[in-house]
Amino acid sequence: GENVEQHPSTLSVQEGDSAVIKCTYSDSASNYFPWYKQELGKGPQLIIDIRSNVGEKKDQRIAVTLNKTAKHFSLHITETQPEDSAVYFCAASKGGKLIFGQGTELSVKP
Amino acid sequence: GAVVSQHPSRVICKSGTSVKIECRSLDFQATTMFWYRQFPKQSLMLMATSNEGSKATYEQGVEKDKFLINHASLTLSTLTVTSAHPEDSSFYICSARDQGPGPSSGNTIYFGEGSWLTVV
Repeated sequence: GENVEQHPSTLSVQEGDSAVIKCTYSDSASNYFPWYKQELGKGPQLIIDIRSNVGEKKDQRIAVTLNKTAKHFSLHITETQPEDSAVYFCAASKGGKLIFGQGTELSVKP
Repeated sequence: GAVVSQHPSRVICKSGTSVKIECRSLDFQATTMFWYRQFPKQSLMLMATSNEGSKATYEQGVEKDKFLINHASLTLSTLTVTSAHPEDSSFYICSARDQGPGPSSGNTIYFGEGSWLTVV
């Protein structure tokens, strides 16, 4: 089955810097790659997603890149703000069944 | 974006009793919903896939008789934890797949806010 690896597990940046989180997946048939932000005690919130027919997608300060050949995808957050602090999860999906990475705890220091 | 509502957000029950958690898609129809369990500081673990009008598909290691799933309509799935024990205490989260008409909405997954279950 699908296996998703996510790195780093923790990431601390200064406000205004960029943050990059990377994930790899094992099943080449996976075709949907969402990223979720989870704040303490709440459900995951979809922040951006990318499908296998696209290499890059951007939404304001957030961008995601996908390399299908290498089976990895990355989340890029620019101009980080303290409110970006949360746990971020990547996931890979085929047919709607999401397999999650281990999560990255992002801390943005003012 | 699409909204998935989960209820209750917090529940405390006694050992041996059963508790039901509801998951509703509020502005789209979801033939498929998913139930996850999450322990503190860990990732989400898929428990089962809930299919409208048919039996749920459980992941390996998840007891189907203990975690009963019913998906009776296109907007509602329920998870019932039967004969609950303290080790069942956890954060349970549902998600629903938006299979809207356009290619951009197909297979987009939205999550509920989660339900904290404490078994005492």
